This record gives sequence, structure tokens and C-alpha cells, in this order.
Amino acid sequence: GAGVSQSPRYKVAKRGQDVALRCDPISGHVSLFWYQQALGQGPEFLTYFQNEAQLDKSGLPSDRFFAERPEGSVSTLKIQRTQQEDSAVYLCASSPGGTGGYGYTFGSGTRLTVV
Amino acid sequence: GQQLNQSPQSMFIQEGEDVSMNCTSSSIFNTWLWYKQDPGEGPVLLIALYKAGELTSNGRLTAQFGITRKDSFLNISASIPSDVGIYFCAGPAYSGAGSYQLTFGKGTKLSVIP
Repeated sequence: GAGVSQSPRYKVAKRGQDVALRCDPISGHVSLFWYQQALGQGPEFLTYFQNEAQLDKSGLPSDRFFAERPEGSVSTLKIQRTQQEDSAVYLCASSPGGTGGYGYTFGSGTRLTVV
Repeated sequence: GQQLNQSPQSMFIQEGEDVSMNCTSSSIFNTWLWYKQDPGEGPVLLIALYKAGELTSNGRLTAQFGITRKDSFLNISASIPSDVGIYFCAGPAYSGAGSYQLTFGKGTKLSVIP
């Protein structure tokens, strides 16, 4: 597609439930990034893939967060046993290559609400 | 980690007025990026700055890369209602795990009164 597509747009989860968020990057983009944006805050880095390799996961807040990109295109961010503090907008971005903001295109995000 | 401090946090202006916002850091950045985020959307890049002292324009937007490399300014001239949104400064910062990742400020929320 022309842009980065994320689904679902909205997700309400009960505390303790597992959730899976999907990101379809721009076709051919090598790099893929996940960010977490809490209400009233700027996006914060979670993890980075180059093709199918997860090169940096230093931003994942706990071992309940897991991301994968098995074929180097679509990526899934999974959150196990969700907690209220996980409520945020999860943004995906892709770029032709490299990190640091160069050529990033962001998706519209998934708004996760944990009740 | 490196933090970016934006000011003001929010501003209300009359349509047609000029707007100025800034971003500072205690650490040096080699690139400064300015993004705009509309409600329910992801951030969209407005201006990228790559050199200390650089002044770059994009239509009614003008941004400058501070000479100390620790600050940047964004100005919007003759504001219009569609300028409403949240403006973020951002720059690459070392993640501590082998890569430089985009770090964002907390944003400046702009409201325009018609």
C-alpha cells in the first residue's frame, strides 16, 4: 500500500488479556519500528527490525512485550497479560533503511485501552 | 538517555498570528526533526535539519538548528486553522543497545482561534 497500515485502530482489553497489534509497512521498506505514545506524551521507542532481524529491543518495557517480523514485512507487537499502564497508542513506522528518523513514515497507530 | 524539552506545552493563538516554539536538550544532537501530529494520526515530518546553524523553510514553516547543537526553533507564520495539532521535535539518540533511535519531545499543542 501507499502508507503504513496498522490494525486494529482501537482495541479494548480486559486486564490480564493478551493482545496482538499488526503493522503493514510500506512495501520494500527494510526497517520497521514500534513506538508507544502515552496520553499527552511524545512517542517512545520500543523496538527496531531490519528485515526479519530484531536488532534493538531496548525500549520494550517488560518481558510481557514481544514483537516479531518473521518474513521481513508484516510485524506483530504482542502484549501478554495486559495491565492498565499499557494503555497507550502504539505507533509503527517504516523506512527504506537506517535508523534515527531518516525517511520514516508512521502509521495512524492502534489505541489500546486496558480496563 | 537524551531528553528533549519543548516549550511552550500549549498555546492558543488568533488566526493570522505568527507562532514560535522551541526545543532544547542537555546533549548534542546531530539532526533535528520537526513533526506534526493530528488527532488520531501518526506524526508527519515537517522539516529536517542536519547542520548546526542551518535555517530551513517549508512554506510558512521555518526551523533553525541551534549553533550549539542543543536546541532548535520552529516558527509558523500567518497561522491558519489547519495548523492546529501537536508539534514534536525529535532527534536520533543512542538507544544503549547498538543503534540510534528517534527520540521525541513531549510536544507543543497548538490551538488556533478563528
